[in-house]
Amino acid sequence: EAGVTQSPTHLIKTRGQQATLRCSPISGHTSVYWYQQALGLGLQFLLWYDEGEERNRGNFPPRFSGRQFPNYSSELNVNALELEDSALYLCASSWGTGDFIFGPGTRLTVL
Amino acid sequence: KQEVTQIPAALSVPEGENLVLNCSFTDSAIYNLQWFRQDPGKGLTSLLLIQSSQREQTSGRLNASLDKSSGRSTLYIAASQPGDSATYLCAVNTGFQKLVFGTGTRLLVSP
Repeated sequence: EAGVTQSPTHLIKTRGQQATLRCSPISGHTSVYWYQQALGLGLQFLLWYDEGEERNRGNFPPRFSGRQFPNYSSELNVNALELEDSALYLCASSWGTGDFIFGPGTRLTVL
Repeated sequence: KQEVTQIPAALSVPEGENLVLNCSFTDSAIYNLQWFRQDPGKGLTSLLLIQSSQREQTSGRLNASLDKSSGRSTLYIAASQPGDSATYLCAVNTGFQKLVFGTGTRLLVSP
């Protein structure tokens, strides 16, 4: 069974640009979560999507947004990129209150 | 606000030792607790999930315990191997499927 997949693996942008990150959950998982792991800051919760709806949001500005598609895959958009947005962005999926299964991450570098 | 702390921050042991990683959390109102490992620059690998009603879970050489009332969990690794070298993270599910992560323990097992 395929795990959680994320694309791209690496993404390099400049300040002010927009970044789009993608995630495909494990088959049968309806929930997708996004986390940010910035250097020295640990893992921070960004967003939770379930059945196409945003269910919970972490303490991030509105320029971090996303959506979940009918096939449960998800997209994270970061607008007006700032240098401090450079981080590893991890996507996870789950079914109900079971294990969170994480993907390999997208490394975003903002120059 | 839930805070999760892991002690020690780093640990270096010779191969074959049994070791204990500690995780403490400030709010005992949790749904579950999950232990992960993270290799450098990679995503998270789920190790064990303990529901709030459970006291421990075992998988191979790993055993995790949970004492919700005291806000503590431990991860016991038996007969450590160099392949166990990684950062170990604990995360508590605080509700609305939000995981709050600890600061991690960086483990190095020497041959």
